[in-house]
Amino acid sequence: RKEVEQDPGPFNVPEGATVAFNCTYSNSASQSFFWYRQDCRKEPKLLMSVYSSGNEDGRFTAQLNRASQYISLLIRDSKLSDSATYLCVAGGDNQGGKLIFGQGTELSVKP
Amino acid sequence: GAVVSQHPSRVICKSGTSVKIECRSLDFQATTMFWYRQFPKQSLMLMATSNEGSKATYEQGVEKDKFLINHASLTLSTLTVTSAHPEDSSFYICSARQRDYYNEQFFGPGTRLTVL
Repeated sequence: RKEVEQDPGPFNVPEGATVAFNCTYSNSASQSFFWYRQDCRKEPKLLMSVYSSGNEDGRFTAQLNRASQYISLLIRDSKLSDSATYLCVAGGDNQGGKLIFGQGTELSVKP
Repeated sequence: GAVVSQHPSRVICKSGTSVKIECRSLDFQATTMFWYRQFPKQSLMLMATSNEGSKATYEQGVEKDKFLINHASLTLSTLTVTSAHPEDSSFYICSARQRDYYNEQFFGPGTRLTVL
């Protein structure tokens, strides 16, 4: 079983749609959680950190459920420029600061 | 701030040659650098963790004699792929972590290696 699991997609949605990505992690000792965005043939870029209380950044909302070991990302009013692969990441001090990446979920926003 | 560079961005080499990739933190001191590899349509896989002034810690299944890592200063780590073969062709990405910012990593732009 992978340490961080995501649905690889692709998710094909029209502009303006709301799309949700889910992710599960297996290491209950993980302490830090992130969503990264990766464009084709580029390095990953931090989109947002994920906290138990949930956090929102503009059109993006991230949630963490520690009991279920489940992380989500919601994108509202999707734009063409949101097309990318979204990587769910778990890590923590107890893991030597290592980040464990999920396979990524591919999103394609169409006009 | 927090910029990480990698060099070269792209390299094509013949089978059997060695390739060195540099990772630099440009405006901060990186106490730890991480090396990842990413094959097409797959996730980033951590290869090794490099702490300044000490030996790198390799992940299970990564050959330390094939992937030599040197982290000689707080701003530079190098990965040398020795005797490269076509199956080593991949996207290699480094990241760096600042002192006192334990959970945040800054990624370099990656190096695309093609071994013919």
